[in-house]
Amino acid sequence: QVQLVESGGGVVQPGRSLRLSCAASGFMFRSYSLHWVRQAPGKGLEWVTVISYDGSNKYYADSVKGRFTVSRDNSKNTMYLQMNSLRPEDTAIYYCARDLQISTWFPFDHWGQGTLVTVSS
Amino acid sequence: SYVLTQPPSVSVAPGETARITCGGNTIGSKSVHWYQQRPGQAPILVISFDSDRPSGIPERFSASNSGDTATLTISRVEAGDEADYFCQVWDSPNDHGAFGGGTKLTVL
Repeated sequence: QVQLVESGGGVVQPGRSLRLSCAASGFMFRSYSLHWVRQAPGKGLEWVTVISYDGSNKYYADSVKGRFTVSRDNSKNTMYLQMNSLRPEDTAIYYCARDLQISTWFPFDHWGQGTLVTVSS
Repeated sequence: SYVLTQPPSVSVAPGETARITCGGNTIGSKSVHWYQQRPGQAPILVISFDSDRPSGIPERFSASNSGDTATLTISRVEAGDEADYFCQVWDSPNDHGAFGGGTKLTVL
């Protein structure tokens, strides 16, 4: 079965960096685009970024553009999110999610369980 | 960025019909997807591409999309439907994803 497992979350000081990972299994990883979505405590969902199946296309929310970088290693079935210059408002659960279809962005048919990132001094 | 507007909360009695709206500029020209999120859990897809119901989602869940409003309808509401519901679109001109702010469905 399809599984997405996030890791790398934790407590980090403002201005520092953190790298999240999303390990995938149960499907042909190299064929699907993947997204990061975050949810601040008690708040709604916020789309963060997407990376296409081959890594050639990447798009970012304005709130993270220039600070976050998404990448993937299809040989390791893993997607990454490098987060630099972290701010308190980046505090959230970060989910990775898979597109339902190979040919479209959205919707997501599978989500990970999320990893919590807390930015605090 | 493309803004999606949802009511913060909707309350219905068991057995009644809940309607949750998602407003956006000419949203009818976009594909709208809906997610259900229970506390402490990841969201699950309940409606895709305006009105398609994924496998395993009860027929009580339906949706429509036209003009500036998309609507998720839950018929014969049950206690287990109590959750947060989010609409989602891909904003093609700007290559950005967007979620509505979410609606908390309370079953009275």
